[in-house]
Amino acid sequence: EVQLVESGGGLVQPGRSLRLSCAASGFTFDDYAMHWVRQAPGKGLEWVSGISWNSGNIGYADSVKGRFTISRDNAKKSLYLQMNGLRAEDTALYYCAKDMAAVAGNFDYWGQGTLVTVSS
Amino acid sequence: QSALTQPPSVSGSPGQSVTISCTGTSSDFGIYNRVSWYQQPPGTAPRPMIYEVSNRPSGVPDRFSGSKSGNTASLTISGLQAEDEADYYCSSYTSSNTWVFGGGTKLTVL
Repeated sequence: EVQLVESGGGLVQPGRSLRLSCAASGFTFDDYAMHWVRQAPGKGLEWVSGISWNSGNIGYADSVKGRFTISRDNAKKSLYLQMNGLRAEDTALYYCAKDMAAVAGNFDYWGQGTLVTVSS
Repeated sequence: QSALTQPPSVSGSPGQSVTISCTGTSSDFGIYNRVSWYQQPPGTAPRPMIYEVSNRPSGVPDRFSGSKSGNTASLTISGLQAEDEADYYCSSYTSSNTWVFGGGTKLTVL
């Protein structure tokens, strides 16, 4: 059974940093691309960042480019999102999502999310 | 990176069919047909319903179907059931190596 478990969310002040983690199990982690998708309270889904199976292809939404960094550790079957310079508009539930492909496909499994609240 | 355009809400009675549209630009949809649809009941994580325009993951009823014509993708739900009531989102892999979601459509089963 595929499982994605996010962690690392919490309350943080504007301008500070936070690192999210996603622990994967139930599939061959290093065969697939992975993504972070967020959802602000009461709002729609927003793709944040994606990384290919070997970290050779990485993309970011314009809203986080230059502030967020995605990475993965295939040996630990884990995905990460380093978030710097956090803003109030980054407040959201952050989902880890598995891709169907090694580089660029669709999202076939989602975690339950970890909540990030940016507020003073 | 603007969102794909979806109607805010659609509704239908049990047994009827509804179609949700998802409109973007040629750049939004790219050349790979990586268009997908997700169902999200309140308080839950999104569930994939359609991938690569018209394919259903295992376990998704064949009442759900997807299509695409030009720069508009569509999700059709036939034989509406009460359990179909949820928010629906389209998504696409773009020509800029990014993904974009639609703003979401709230489906109400009357």
